Amino acid sequence: GAGVSQSPRYKVAKRGQDVALRCDPISGHVSLFWYQQALGQGPEFLTYFQNEAQLDKSGLPSDRFFAERPEGSVSTLKIQRTQQEDSAVYLCASSLAYLGVSNQPQHFGDGTRLSIL
Amino acid sequence: AQSVTQLGSHVSVSEGALVLLRCNYSSSVPPYLFWYVQYPNQGLQLLLKYTSAATLVKGINGFEAEFKKSETSFHLTKPSAHMSDAAEYFCAVTPGGSGNTGKLIFGQGTTLQVKP
Repeated sequence: GAGVSQSPRYKVAKRGQDVALRCDPISGHVSLFWYQQALGQGPEFLTYFQNEAQLDKSGLPSDRFFAERPEGSVSTLKIQRTQQEDSAVYLCASSLAYLGVSNQPQHFGDGTRLSIL
Repeated sequence: AQSVTQLGSHVSVSEGALVLLRCNYSSSVPPYLFWYVQYPNQGLQLLLKYTSAATLVKGINGFEAEFKKSETSFHLTKPSAHMSDAAEYFCAVTPGGSGNTGKLIFGQGTTLQVKP
């Protein structure tokens, strides 16, 4: 596709349920990032993939958060046993950059708005 | 460590007036700097970037920003505001140099209101 695609756009779950959020990056983009954006805040980094390798997961807030990109393209962010504080917009971004060349812009999807009841 | 401070969470200007959105950064290495715009219920769209070339950077929609190392600033300006400029604006930094992933550190954002 022409841009980064995220699905679903909206997700409502009950506290304690597991959720999975999907990201389709721009074709050929090596790097993929996940960010969490709380209401009224700037996005905060969660994790980074270069192709299928997860090179940085320092931003994941707890071991309930798990991300994968098994074939170096589509990525899934999974949250287990969701809590109310997980409510946020989850943004995915991709770029042509690879490790060592960080001046390439990131292209963002429209995000998944997650609401935990 | 890198950080970004955006001065003013809300800025209101009249249509046709100058837009000035302030951004100061902290970085232990020469940074790459970005401005993104976010419209309601959408992702972030790149306005412009500074990557150690010209210090005055021109972006889309008539926006520009000037990198001032001595002031650690990267303020965003536009000579004449348009109603369609009303949105949330984010300044972001990532460390330059080799071995960095390019993850962005964002400011808190500034909401730009444009009055007719």
